[in-house]
Amino acid sequence: DTAVSQTPKYLVTQMGNDKSIKCEQNLGHDTMYWYKQDSKKFLKIMFSYNNKELIINETVPNRFSPKSPDKAHLNLHINSLELGDSAVYFCASSNGRTDTQYFGPGTRLTVL
Amino acid sequence: DQQVKQNSPSLSVQEGRISILNCDYTNSMFDYFLWYKKYPAEGPTFLISISSIKDKNEDGRFTVFLNKSAKHLSLHIVPSQPGDSAVYFCAARSASNTGKLIFGQGTTLQVKP
Repeated sequence: DTAVSQTPKYLVTQMGNDKSIKCEQNLGHDTMYWYKQDSKKFLKIMFSYNNKELIINETVPNRFSPKSPDKAHLNLHINSLELGDSAVYFCASSNGRTDTQYFGPGTRLTVL
Repeated sequence: DQQVKQNSPSLSVQEGRISILNCDYTNSMFDYFLWYKKYPAEGPTFLISISSIKDKNEDGRFTVFLNKSAKHLSLHIVPSQPGDSAVYFCAARSASNTGKLIFGQGTTLQVKP
């Protein structure tokens, strides 16, 4: 059973398009995160939701909008995709804000 | 502004020997440190952690040491096994209660049979 799952695993799209990445966790956690791993391999936090409330919102272009329909899901919508958005995006979840974070397998986004 | 640094991009050790992965940080507000392991095409998996009130935490073959005065932590793997070959990320969390983790850039460990 997959604990944190992401779809799709790979996403190739053209500049200017709008795309979404979905994340679901079946761990019963109340906190979820989105991280971006860039070409230099740094993992950087983008957003975090706790009980559907946004608690972390890093300096991310407002083309990126997270949506948490319920505690088990945190989706990431990206408008007007740019070349620099190409990266691997990881979703994670934890039980509370300070507990261990469990990561999904990642979504590799390639913008052409 | 890299608050967590792993200055060795790669490390190669022989099976059965000790692997030592290092991590330095700059922010004295960090109160909790973690190591994650990552295989290709998978997400990072939690390995071991340490609170800033401790200087050592051990879990089987894995031990993390924290030197607060030097703002340095290390992960020791003894004995190293080929299955340990992966990218290891050091991460730090501040006491801000948001759960935000700051990651280093990772060290690729290769354990040779």
